[in-house]
Amino acid sequence: DVKVTQSSRYLVKRTGEKVFLECVQDMDHENMFWYRQDPGLGLRLIYFSYDVKMKEKGDIPEGYSVSREKKERFSLILESASTNQTSMYLCASSRRPRSQPQHFGDGTRLSIL
Amino acid sequence: DAKTTQPNSMESNEEEPVHLPCNHSTISGTDYIHWYRQLPSQGPEYVIHGLTSNVNNRMASLAIAEDRKSSTLILHRATLRDAAVYYCILSGGSQGNLIFGKGTKLSVKP
Repeated sequence: DVKVTQSSRYLVKRTGEKVFLECVQDMDHENMFWYRQDPGLGLRLIYFSYDVKMKEKGDIPEGYSVSREKKERFSLILESASTNQTSMYLCASSRRPRSQPQHFGDGTRLSIL
Repeated sequence: DAKTTQPNSMESNEEEPVHLPCNHSTISGTDYIHWYRQLPSQGPEYVIHGLTSNVNNRMASLAIAEDRKSSTLILHRATLRDAAVYYCILSGGSQGNLIFGKGTKLSVKP
Protein backbone atom coordinates (compact mmCIF):
# COMPACT_ATOMS: atom_id res chain seq x y z
CA ASP A 1 0.00 0.00 0.00
CA VAL A 2 1.08 3.56 -0.71
CA LYS A 3 2.14 5.46 2.34
CA VAL A 4 2.25 9.24 2.56
CA THR A 5 3.65 10.44 5.85
CA GLN A 6 3.33 13.95 7.18
CA SER A 7 5.79 14.92 9.87
CA SER A 8 3.30 16.21 12.45
CA ARG A 9 -0.39 15.64 13.15
CA TYR A 10 -0.71 18.77 15.27
CA LEU A 11 1.46 21.87 15.31
CA VAL A 12 1.18 25.18 17.16
CA LYS A 13 3.29 28.13 16.06
CA ARG A 14 3.37 31.87 16.64
CA THR A 15 2.68 34.70 14.22
CA GLY A 16 5.78 35.65 12.23
CA GLU A 17 7.54 32.31 12.67
CA LYS A 18 8.88 30.37 9.70
CA VAL A 19 7.11 27.02 9.61
CA PHE A 20 8.16 23.84 7.82
CA LEU A 21 5.71 21.04 7.01
CA GLU A 22 7.30 17.86 5.70
CA CYS A 23 5.79 15.12 3.56
CA VAL A 24 7.36 11.83 2.48
CA GLN A 25 5.96 9.19 0.12
CA ASP A 26 7.32 5.69 -0.36
CA MET A 27 5.95 4.75 -3.80
CA ASP A 28 8.29 6.60 -6.16
CA HIS A 29 5.45 8.87 -7.31
CA GLU A 30 6.32 11.69 -9.69
CA ASN A 31 3.57 14.09 -8.57
CA MET A 32 3.21 15.61 -5.14
CA PHE A 33 0.67 18.14 -3.91
CA TRP A 34 0.02 20.39 -0.96
CA TYR A 35 -3.58 21.32 -0.13
CA ARG A 36 -5.23 23.11 2.73
CA GLN A 37 -8.70 22.21 3.95
CA ASP A 38 -10.98 24.70 5.66
CA PRO A 39 -14.64 24.29 6.69
CA GLY A 40 -16.97 25.34 3.90
CA LEU A 41 -14.12 25.84 1.43
CA GLY A 42 -13.12 22.26 0.69
CA LEU A 43 -9.58 21.40 -0.36
CA ARG A 44 -7.60 24.10 -2.12
CA LEU A 45 -4.33 23.50 -3.94
CA ILE A 46 -1.36 25.48 -2.65
CA TYR A 47 1.51 24.04 -4.72
CA PHE A 48 2.16 21.13 -7.00
CA SER A 49 5.40 19.39 -8.01
CA TYR A 50 5.69 17.04 -10.97
CA ASP A 51 9.38 16.21 -10.58
CA VAL A 52 12.41 16.92 -8.43
CA LYS A 53 13.10 20.66 -8.22
CA MET A 54 10.00 21.38 -10.32
CA LYS A 55 7.03 23.21 -8.87
CA GLU A 56 3.93 25.04 -9.95
CA LYS A 57 1.70 27.43 -8.06
CA GLY A 58 -1.76 26.28 -7.22
CA ASP A 59 -4.83 28.35 -6.43
CA ILE A 60 -3.58 29.93 -3.20
CA PRO A 61 0.25 30.12 -3.16
CA GLU A 62 0.55 33.50 -1.43
CA GLY A 63 2.49 33.27 1.82
CA TYR A 64 3.82 29.79 1.02
CA SER A 65 6.80 28.26 -0.72
CA VAL A 66 7.82 24.67 -1.40
CA SER A 67 10.93 22.59 -1.81
CA ARG A 68 11.45 19.27 -3.57
CA GLU A 69 15.10 18.28 -3.46
CA LYS A 70 14.40 14.53 -3.50
CA LYS A 71 11.67 12.64 -5.29
CA GLU A 72 10.13 11.23 -2.14
CA ARG A 73 10.03 14.45 -0.11
CA PHE A 74 7.95 17.60 -0.58
CA SER A 75 8.16 20.40 1.95
CA LEU A 76 5.75 23.27 2.48
CA ILE A 77 7.15 26.44 4.01
CA LEU A 78 5.19 29.25 5.61
CA GLU A 79 7.62 32.13 5.26
CA SER A 80 6.10 34.27 8.03
CA ALA A 81 3.15 32.56 9.63
CA SER A 82 -0.08 34.49 10.05
CA THR A 83 -3.30 33.61 11.86
CA ASN A 84 -5.20 33.16 8.58
CA GLN A 85 -2.91 30.24 7.82
CA THR A 86 -4.42 28.25 10.65
CA SER A 87 -5.79 25.23 8.83
CA MET A 88 -5.57 21.51 8.07
CA TYR A 89 -2.73 20.88 5.61
CA LEU A 90 -2.84 17.78 3.43
CA CYS A 91 -0.07 16.31 1.31
CA ALA A 92 -0.80 13.92 -1.57
CA SER A 93 1.16 12.02 -4.18
CA SER A 94 0.32 10.29 -7.46
CA ARG A 95 1.79 8.82 -10.59
CA ARG A 96 1.51 10.59 -13.91
CA PRO A 97 -0.73 11.25 -15.76
CA ARG A 98 -3.33 13.36 -14.05
CA SER A 99 -5.96 10.63 -14.25
CA GLN A 100 -4.10 8.61 -11.64
CA PRO A 101 -5.54 8.57 -8.11
CA GLN A 102 -3.92 10.64 -5.40
CA HIS A 103 -2.90 9.20 -2.07
CA PHE A 104 -3.14 11.46 0.94
CA GLY A 105 -1.39 11.71 4.25
CA ASP A 106 -3.37 12.09 7.47
CA GLY A 107 -2.87 15.83 7.53
CA THR A 108 -1.26 18.37 9.83
CA ARG A 109 -3.58 20.55 11.86
CA LEU A 110 -1.65 23.80 12.17
CA SER A 111 -2.62 26.54 14.59
CA ILE A 112 -0.99 29.96 14.37
CA LEU A 113 -1.36 32.00 17.55
CA ASP B 1 -13.33 23.00 -14.42
CA ALA B 2 -16.28 20.66 -14.56
CA LYS B 3 -18.29 20.43 -11.34
CA THR B 4 -20.18 17.68 -9.60
CA THR B 5 -23.43 17.68 -7.64
CA GLN B 6 -24.05 15.31 -4.74
CA PRO B 7 -26.70 15.07 -2.02
CA ASN B 8 -25.56 16.64 1.22
CA SER B 9 -26.29 13.56 3.30
CA MET B 10 -27.55 10.00 3.13
CA GLU B 11 -28.39 7.30 5.66
CA SER B 12 -27.97 3.58 5.42
CA ASN B 13 -28.45 0.55 7.59
CA GLU B 14 -25.53 -1.68 8.40
CA GLU B 15 -25.02 -4.62 6.02
CA GLU B 16 -27.29 -3.11 3.37
CA PRO B 17 -26.11 -1.81 -0.01
CA VAL B 18 -25.62 1.92 -0.45
CA HIS B 19 -25.91 3.83 -3.72
CA LEU B 20 -24.30 7.26 -3.66
CA PRO B 21 -25.26 9.38 -6.70
CA CYS B 22 -23.26 12.06 -8.46
CA ASN B 23 -24.23 14.35 -11.34
CA HIS B 24 -21.58 15.81 -13.63
CA SER B 25 -23.41 17.13 -16.66
CA THR B 26 -20.48 19.26 -17.89
CA ILE B 27 -17.92 16.45 -17.89
CA SER B 28 -15.45 16.52 -20.76
CA GLY B 29 -14.45 13.54 -22.82
CA THR B 30 -11.10 13.13 -21.09
CA ASP B 31 -12.24 13.60 -17.48
CA TYR B 32 -11.97 10.62 -15.20
CA ILE B 33 -14.51 10.21 -12.39
CA HIS B 34 -12.88 9.73 -9.01
CA TRP B 35 -14.41 8.88 -5.65
CA TYR B 36 -12.71 9.59 -2.36
CA ARG B 37 -13.93 9.40 1.20
CA GLN B 38 -12.81 11.19 4.32
CA LEU B 39 -13.23 10.16 7.92
CA PRO B 40 -13.03 12.77 10.68
CA SER B 41 -9.48 13.94 11.41
CA GLN B 42 -8.03 11.94 8.52
CA GLY B 43 -6.90 12.72 5.00
CA PRO B 44 -9.07 11.74 2.03
CA GLU B 45 -8.86 8.09 1.03
CA TYR B 46 -9.03 6.96 -2.60
CA VAL B 47 -11.98 4.65 -3.25
CA ILE B 48 -12.30 4.09 -7.00
CA HIS B 49 -12.10 5.80 -10.37
CA GLY B 50 -13.19 5.20 -13.96
CA LEU B 51 -13.58 6.74 -17.39
CA THR B 52 -16.44 5.09 -19.28
CA SER B 53 -16.91 1.51 -18.16
CA ASN B 54 -18.18 0.31 -14.81
CA VAL B 55 -15.40 -0.52 -12.38
CA ASN B 56 -15.10 -2.84 -9.40
CA ASN B 57 -12.49 -3.11 -6.68
CA ARG B 58 -12.32 -4.53 -3.18
CA MET B 59 -13.88 -1.43 -1.66
CA ALA B 60 -16.73 -0.55 -4.02
CA SER B 61 -18.21 -0.50 -7.50
CA LEU B 62 -18.58 2.48 -9.79
CA ALA B 63 -21.46 2.60 -12.23
CA ILE B 64 -21.11 5.23 -14.97
CA ALA B 65 -24.07 6.32 -17.08
CA GLU B 66 -23.78 5.78 -20.79
CA ASP B 67 -23.74 9.54 -21.48
CA ARG B 68 -21.24 9.97 -18.58
CA LYS B 69 -23.30 12.78 -17.09
CA SER B 70 -23.85 10.88 -13.87
CA SER B 71 -22.32 8.07 -11.85
CA THR B 72 -23.11 6.01 -8.76
CA LEU B 73 -20.77 4.68 -6.12
CA ILE B 74 -22.01 1.38 -4.76
CA LEU B 75 -20.99 0.01 -1.39
CA HIS B 76 -22.25 -3.56 -1.43
CA ARG B 77 -22.60 -4.06 2.32
CA ALA B 78 -22.28 -0.96 4.44
CA THR B 79 -20.41 -1.24 7.71
CA LEU B 80 -20.09 1.28 10.53
CA ARG B 81 -16.57 2.02 9.29
CA ASP B 82 -18.01 3.25 6.00
CA ALA B 83 -19.53 6.29 7.72
CA ALA B 84 -17.65 9.19 6.12
CA VAL B 85 -17.94 12.08 3.70
CA TYR B 86 -17.83 10.78 0.13
CA TYR B 87 -16.53 13.02 -2.63
CA CYS B 88 -17.19 12.60 -6.34
CA ILE B 89 -14.50 14.43 -8.30
CA LEU B 90 -13.58 14.90 -11.93
CA SER B 91 -9.90 14.89 -12.76
CA GLY B 92 -8.90 17.62 -12.28
CA GLY B 93 -7.51 21.03 -12.38
CA SER B 94 -5.11 21.84 -15.16
CA GLN B 95 -2.31 20.74 -12.85
CA GLY B 96 -3.91 17.43 -11.96
CA ASN B 97 -5.16 18.68 -8.62
CA LEU B 98 -8.45 17.36 -7.36
CA ILE B 99 -11.28 19.84 -6.98
CA PHE B 100 -13.30 18.70 -3.99
CA GLY B 101 -16.91 19.79 -3.55
CA LYS B 102 -18.88 19.40 -0.33
CA GLY B 103 -19.49 15.70 -0.76
CA THR B 104 -22.14 13.44 0.73
CA LYS B 105 -22.05 12.66 4.42
CA LEU B 106 -22.98 9.01 4.81
CA SER B 107 -24.35 7.81 8.13
CA VAL B 108 -24.59 4.08 8.81
CA LYS B 109 -27.03 2.85 11.44
CA PRO B 110 -26.44 -0.41 13.31
